[in-house]
Amino acid sequence: AQKVTQAQTEISVVEKEDVTLDCVYETRDTTYYLFWYKQPPSGELVFLIRRNSFDEQNEISGRYSWNFQKSTSSFNFTITASQVVDSAVYFCALSRLNSGYALNFGKGTSLLVTP
Amino acid sequence: EPEVTQTPSHQVTQMGQEVILRCVPISNHLYFYWYRQILGQKVEFLVSFYNNEISEKSEIFDDQFSVERPDGSNFTLKIRSTKLEDSAMYFCASSLQGPTFYGYTFGSGTRLTVV
Repeated sequence: AQKVTQAQTEISVVEKEDVTLDCVYETRDTTYYLFWYKQPPSGELVFLIRRNSFDEQNEISGRYSWNFQKSTSSFNFTITASQVVDSAVYFCALSRLNSGYALNFGKGTSLLVTP
Repeated sequence: EPEVTQTPSHQVTQMGQEVILRCVPISNHLYFYWYRQILGQKVEFLVSFYNNEISEKSEIFDDQFSVERPDGSNFTLKIRSTKLEDSAMYFCASSLQGPTFYGYTFGSGTRLTVV
């Protein structure tokens, strides 16, 4: 069975602080995809990143970076120099590569960035 | 950039009524999905659809639910007899080849309120 755990329910930081959102996953599959989505207060799901299980390279996109470590089954997300606009719920998700391609979400981490 | 369009954005219905949620996936995408998010909770997979049939469904997707692609562009989710606990945000998504290369594109959601 697949499982995604985001142990941090809520995080509050002051603007310009760095913040790391943790994601730990469980799967028996050898090939899978991991995702991060942002859900701002308006409610839509905004795609941030997709990473396949064979690609353990870390990725940086502006103030965002992701650390994928298969050895610890973790796919953590760091926001550098956080801004108020980063306030949102962030979901980590895992996809099976079978016929249904269902995406299994974690419970999300609510990030509040205050001025 | 191509979008997944969902209508209506908000629907209120009485308990026991049938409701149809509509989605227009991206035109060249082949896989279609419905997800549900009860307020304040995680996003849950309902069903995936490919080649005019259901390819996978979750335990949530019981006999009260059905999906259809009636005309080659729309993708609908029908709830036959709504219950209070069906109140949630429903997200439609589509992908070109499962999540393998392109990931999912989510619509902005339909908020269903059952009273």
